[in-house]
Amino acid sequence: GAGVSQSPSNKVTEKGKDVELRCDPISGHTALYWYRQSLGQGLEFLIYFQGNSAPDKSGLPSDRFSAERTGGSVSTLTIQRTQQEDSAVYLCASSTRELAYEQYFGPGTRLTVT
Amino acid sequence: AQSVTQPDIHITVSEGASLELRCNYSYGATPYLFWYVQSPGQGLQLLLKYFSGDTLVQGIKGFEAEFKRSQSSFNLRKPSVHWSDAAEYFCAVVPFSGGYNKLIFGAGTRLAVHP
Repeated sequence: GAGVSQSPSNKVTEKGKDVELRCDPISGHTALYWYRQSLGQGLEFLIYFQGNSAPDKSGLPSDRFSAERTGGSVSTLTIQRTQQEDSAVYLCASSTRELAYEQYFGPGTRLTVT
Repeated sequence: AQSVTQPDIHITVSEGASLELRCNYSYGATPYLFWYVQSPGQGLQLLLKYFSGDTLVQGIKGFEAEFKRSQSSFNLRKPSVHWSDAAEYFCAVVPFSGGYNKLIFGAGTRLAVHP
C-alpha cells in the first residue's frame, strides 16, 4: 500500500518568508509525527498528533513553528518568518494507535532558507 | 542525562565483511529500542525493534540486534555486508516517561562499503 507522502520534496525560500510543508500519512494511521533533521541538531522530535487529542507540541523550537492536522489525516507544518537556521529536512511519520511505537517515515521535505 | 549514544560517526567495511554498529542508551528503565536506516535522499526505514523477550532480534535485510541490559546496549550486526548497505544508521528509543511516543535518536553512524 501507499506509504507516507510529503510535499514538496524540496523548498527554497527567502529569509523572512512563510512556508507550508504537507504530510499525508498512511491510510488508517491515527498518529502523526513531525521530526526535523539538521546538521547541527541531528534528528529531533517536533510535534505529535494522536486522533482528536490535543497535540504534543513540546518539540517545537519557537512560536514561529505551528502544525495542524485536518480531519485526522493530512497535516501541515507551517514555519513563519523563516530563518537560515530553519534549513533542514523535515520528516513526517505515522503509526497506528495500537502500534504507536512503530513509526513509518515519509521521504522528507528539504527546506533551504537563503 | 537521558541519551542515546552512537559512538562511531563513520565506519568503513569491505563488502562481504561482518558489521557491528554500536548503540548505548541512558535511561532509568529499559526503553523500547529501534534501528532505522536512511539511504541517500530517502526517509527512514525501520530495520528492527526490541520491546521485550528474546534479546536477539531479527530484522529486515539480514540485520539483527542484541539487547544487553547489563551494558545498556543494543548493537546492530550483519554477518556479511553488501554494497547496497551503504547508508546512515540510526539507533532510537521510546523512553517510558510521560507516555511519550516520540522517538529519541542517536546521532547516526554513516556506513561506507568498499568493493
